[in-house]
Amino acid sequence: GESVGLHLPTLSVQEGDNSIINCAYSNSASDYFIWYKQESGKGPQFIIDIRSNMDKRQGQRVTVLLNKTVKHLSLQIAATQPGDSAVYFCAENRKTSGSRLTFGEGTQLTVNP
Amino acid sequence: EPEVTQTPSHQVTQMGQEVILRCVPISNHLYFYWYRQILGQKVEFLVSFYNNEISEKSEIFDDQFSVERPDGSNFTLKIRSTKLEDSAMYFCAGNSQGAHYEQYFGPGTRLTVT
Repeated sequence: GESVGLHLPTLSVQEGDNSIINCAYSNSASDYFIWYKQESGKGPQFIIDIRSNMDKRQGQRVTVLLNKTVKHLSLQIAATQPGDSAVYFCAENRKTSGSRLTFGEGTQLTVNP
Repeated sequence: EPEVTQTPSHQVTQMGQEVILRCVPISNHLYFYWYRQILGQKVEFLVSFYNNEISEKSEIFDDQFSVERPDGSNFTLKIRSTKLEDSAMYFCAGNSQGAHYEQYFGPGTRLTVT
């Protein structure tokens, strides 16, 4: 079936290290891939998106890489800070599905001081 | 910075009762959504709403669910007869014209059905 999923449920890093969170998807019809961050007790917060015809997009301290050959998406966080501790979800949006977002399972990132 | 607000933050109800979850979206948003998240699981789409009507709904959004935007500011989700499996966090979200991938979520309402 169609799905957006994550490789690992948890990731623990030291403060200042770079973090890489991975996501696999199965459907090639996605138009956008998006990363959301969810802090404890809060709703998901948009981080960055990448259009399906791109392979890399950079934001502030974050980079998203898209490998359509292996249907893999990753979020790289540079110089990880304690405030980055959260659950990270990849999501996808398809124009044929209207405006809905389809979320993956989530990776819990813990940043150790 | 404008935010999506939701009330109540926590709602406890008995099975079979009706609940109404309320949201005030960001004022210039045109598209509105409800999602739910069962504890420890991923966020699931329920319904999208545009131009005062449902534009899309998932298989979860059955006849027990309804949405309404009664006064141009509030956006509500009603569950007519709650079931134990409706226990979850319910998030309201919205976005402006065209930017469907960048949705702004509220803090959620935790619904507990006993």
